Amino acid sequence: DVKVTQSSRYLVKRTGEKVFLECVQDMDHENMFWYRQDPGLGLRLIYFSYDVKMKEKGDIPEGYSVSREKKERFSLILESASTNQTSMYLCASSTGTGGTYEQYFGPGTRLTVT
Amino acid sequence: GENVEQHPSTLSVQEGDSAVIKCTYSDSASNYFPWYKQELGKRPQLIIDIRSNVGEKKDQRIAVTLNKTAKHFSLHITETQPEDSAVYFCAASKGGSYIPTFGRGTSLIVHP
Repeated sequence: DVKVTQSSRYLVKRTGEKVFLECVQDMDHENMFWYRQDPGLGLRLIYFSYDVKMKEKGDIPEGYSVSREKKERFSLILESASTNQTSMYLCASSTGTGGTYEQYFGPGTRLTVT
Repeated sequence: GENVEQHPSTLSVQEGDSAVIKCTYSDSASNYFPWYKQELGKRPQLIIDIRSNVGEKKDQRIAVTLNKTAKHFSLHITETQPEDSAVYFCAASKGGSYIPTFGRGTSLIVHP
């Protein structure tokens, strides 16, 4: 049973703070993703990684960076948090092995920036 | 890049009715179309998917149809139950790519 965990369910930070969101998966998946979920806007891709130390920008990378030092861990960093980054953040992982591309999501982190 | 449109944004039905959610995609190279269900307060989970070499796929009360010519695909839920209430997301991705483009979601409400 694939398990994707995120470091916090709820987080409150102040404007200008540096924020770290961590995601860990236990299924040896190559691919990991960070999404932002806002009402009416669906799931928007921030960054993804297809291998250790590799990263690619998604659709809305501005204001974010990522780090993947180990295969199982993918971190999202908000360099200087702003109120418009208040949102639900979802991590996901997947593998292309066997032609399957199912995404396994973490429980989400609801971030509030005040 | 790929663009996925999903309609309706909200769908309200009576228990036992059928529900249909429709999505269109723009990239004719897309060939994998998953559907995810997200219950309130929970994570999205894959419920069914279809590949472009198949026109229809069924799994108990849910089915997905694909029209490659028109570039649209639909989720059909029959005999809806209150536990079907959730947000449903469609997505599209193309061969060899593991990066889906998601629709904006449909909030399905099933009234008992």
